[in-house]
This record gives sequence, C-alpha cells and structure tokens, in this order.
Amino acid sequence: DQQVKQNSPSLSVQEGRISILNCDYTNSMFDYFLWYKKYPAEGPTFLISISSIKDKNEDGRFTVFLNKSAKHLSLHIVPSQPGDSAVYFCAASGPGFGNEKLTFGTGTRLTIIP
Amino acid sequence: DTAVSQTPKYLVTQMGNDKSIKCEQNLGHDTMYWYKQDSKKFLKIMFSYNNKELIINETVPNRFSPKSPDKAHLNLHINSLELGDSAVYFCASSQGAIIEIDSEAFFGQGTRLTVV
Repeated sequence: DQQVKQNSPSLSVQEGRISILNCDYTNSMFDYFLWYKKYPAEGPTFLISISSIKDKNEDGRFTVFLNKSAKHLSLHIVPSQPGDSAVYFCAASGPGFGNEKLTFGTGTRLTIIP
Repeated sequence: DTAVSQTPKYLVTQMGNDKSIKCEQNLGHDTMYWYKQDSKKFLKIMFSYNNKELIINETVPNRFSPKSPDKAHLNLHINSLELGDSAVYFCASSQGAIIEIDSEAFFGQGTRLTVV
C-alpha cells in the first residue's frame, strides 16, 4: 500500500508561471515532510521540508503547504524557471523527531516550457 | 502489498562484522538501486542494476558489494563494517533500461544501520 502518493506522474508549466506539485499521504502518524528534486543521472537532492506543527514553509521561490486534515501537501514554485525541470519526490517520516526513515512518493516529472 | 520491501528495517551491529540488507520488488521493474542517505538528507546513489547487470557503481568502498540473484532482488552486502557506515540505506526500483531514476520510482522504507 502506497502511503505517500503523487498522483501526477508529469506536469508541464510555462516559464514564469507557478508550478504546483501535489502529494497525498495516508498515515496520520507522519509528522515531517520533505521534497526532493532529482535531475537525470543524479541522486535526489533535498529541497525543502515542513513539520506537522506548521502549515507553510517558504524558501525563496519554493513554498510547501501542509493540510493535515486532508493529509495533503503541495510544493509551489514561483516563478518557474527552466532549471526547475526535474523529477520531484515527496517524502514523509515519523512519528517523532529523529525518525529518519522516509516513505517516498513515486515522483512527478516537472517540465518547464520556455 | 508492499511494492519495494527492505529487510531488516533496523540493524545494529559491531564494527568489523559482515552484514547484508535485502531488497525485493514485486513490480516487475527492470532496474533497482541502492542509495545511502547522508546527514543532510541527500540520497547518494551507490549501485544500480538493470536486469541483474550492474550499470552504476559509484565510488564506494569495495567492502560494499551488491548481489542480484534475479531482477526482483538486489541485496547489499557489507564487509568489515565501520562506524562511518552508519546511515539509512534506501533501495528503489523503476521500469526500463535507464541509467538512473528518470521516471516513476518506488522506494523502500529504508534500513537504519547503526555500527557500534
């Protein structure tokens, strides 16, 4: 059973516009959520995270929103740039701080159209 | 039904021991991977196998040896464990004869290895 789901395998967005990547989870014990970005032939790199005590975390062009009641999180990229074209993985961990074991989604391929 | 399963989930062992982590996928995927998660949560690829053949072998100590008895399994064997080997190790799989994960990928839940 896939506890973390990214239902859109791919997404295309015009350069300069907002990219919204979605992630749903089923395990209510998860309390920490992460987004990874992956370029071809490279390992996933950590992008941004959010704790369940927050509903929003922002870092430059990247913002992650968490809706605990809906068990849903999203990553917003504004404005989208060609270098953002990559595969994005959502991951969750918990319960408890220090629980480093992650459950990953299957990834969404984001393509930014110039 | 778990798509990619790793065993054990936790492993505590003494320095110098030899241990194995097993990975199995029931998705019919052609390609499997082992990643090591560092302290910054960066996932560094260690090995990749496509149809039982090694296609990626990053610079890891030769104490680490992957073994793929069939395309549904990719086990990681570690000899002479050292303190620095302590980390979370992730197995993953994807479809297709690709160099690395560039499409839908399924990860195992990780194995927390602690060397004491």
